[in-house]
Amino acid sequence: NAGVTQTPKFRVLKTGQSMTLLCAQDMNHEYMYWYRQDPGMGLRLIHYSVGEGTTAKGEVPDGYNVSRLKKQNFLLGLESAAPSQTSVYFCASSYRLVSEEETQYFGPGTRLLVL
Amino acid sequence: KQEVTQIPAALSVPEGENLVLNCSFTDSAIYNLQWFRQDPGKGLTSLLLIQSSQREQTSGRLNASLDKSSGRSTLYIAASQPGDSATYLCAVIYNFNKFYFGSGTKLNVKP
Repeated sequence: NAGVTQTPKFRVLKTGQSMTLLCAQDMNHEYMYWYRQDPGMGLRLIHYSVGEGTTAKGEVPDGYNVSRLKKQNFLLGLESAAPSQTSVYFCASSYRLVSEEETQYFGPGTRLLVL
Repeated sequence: KQEVTQIPAALSVPEGENLVLNCSFTDSAIYNLQWFRQDPGKGLTSLLLIQSSQREQTSGRLNASLDKSSGRSTLYIAASQPGDSATYLCAVIYNFNKFYFGSGTKLNVKP
């Protein structure tokens, strides 16, 4: 199993450009999450999904959109990138509610630089 | 809003030392607390998960404790090795869509 994979690994954007980050998991997990990690601030939840066709807002959803058209994929979109969105983005997935014993599995991250 | 603080931000120790990493949180009404390891350029790997009804969890040389009433958790690493060098993050799970991560402790174990 590949686990959780993210595409691309690194990207440079100009302000106002758009892009989509792709997360894929091959563990048949129901739940998927997008986080951003900034220096000195830990990880913050952007959006999450509890199953195919569902999405919900996390702690910092503004400026991002997500889609979960297929169970194994969770896409994060930036319609008009801003320098404040420079960050490392992590995708995670879990089989059940992470508040039970099941843990989250994280991808390797996508480093995004917005100029 | 839940705030999670990890102290120290960085730690450098010689190989073989026992060490303690600290995590504190402001709201004690948590479901669980989890410790993760993050290696440079990689994602997070779960180390230990402590449910709110538990007081500690152990895995090999790692032991994590939880004191909900005081809003504290500690990660104890016994007989540290250079391979333990990484950033250690704690995450408090408040309810399903509320995860709060600390900013991490960067550990360097010198050979």
